[in-house]
Amino acid sequence: GAGVSQSPSNKVTEKGKDVELRCDPISGHTALYWYRQSLGQGLEFLIYFQGNSAPDKSGLPSDRFSAERTGGSVSTLTIQRTQQEDSAVYLCASSLAALAAGQYFGPGTRLLVL
Amino acid sequence: KQEVTQIPAALSVPEGENLVLNCSFTDSAIYNLQWFRQDPGKGLTSLLLIQSSQREQTSGRLNASLDKSSGRSTLYIAASQPGDSATYLCAVITDSWGKLQFGAGTQVVVTP
Repeated sequence: GAGVSQSPSNKVTEKGKDVELRCDPISGHTALYWYRQSLGQGLEFLIYFQGNSAPDKSGLPSDRFSAERTGGSVSTLTIQRTQQEDSAVYLCASSLAALAAGQYFGPGTRLLVL
Repeated sequence: KQEVTQIPAALSVPEGENLVLNCSFTDSAIYNLQWFRQDPGKGLTSLLLIQSSQREQTSGRLNASLDKSSGRSTLYIAASQPGDSATYLCAVITDSWGKLQFGAGTQVVVTP
């Protein structure tokens, strides 16, 4: 596609339920990043995938968060047993060469946990 | 630990005035610095990317400078327009994985 796409655009869930957020990166981009944007914390890094290398999970806030990237393309971020503090906008970005070409962001998924 | 600060947090200017947005970072060992724009309820749009070896980048009415030694970058927007109203974010990359570390942003309002 022309840009990074994310689905759903909005998600409302009840506390304790699991949610899955999807990211389709720009075709050919080998690097994929997840970030979270919340009112109190600003934009923070969650996880990074590069090709077939082991992902950098250093930004995941708890073991309720996990992510996978299938076939080096689509990525899914899963939050288990959601809590109200998980409410935020989850942004995905992809890059061909982050150090040289920068990152390109999707529109985000707005998650509200009631 | 790298810290990225943007001042001011909010800015309101009349149309036609030049905008000056500041970004500072505490660790000068960066790979690059990227400026983004975010409209309400939207994702981030990349504006300019400055490599650590560069001192500035220009695109149309936008010019961004980088002074690594002093840990500062400035985004200039010439002849502002109401359509420039948005939140502007700067972010630095400090590792080879390319993870971005963001400032809190400057919210800009350009009044007609």
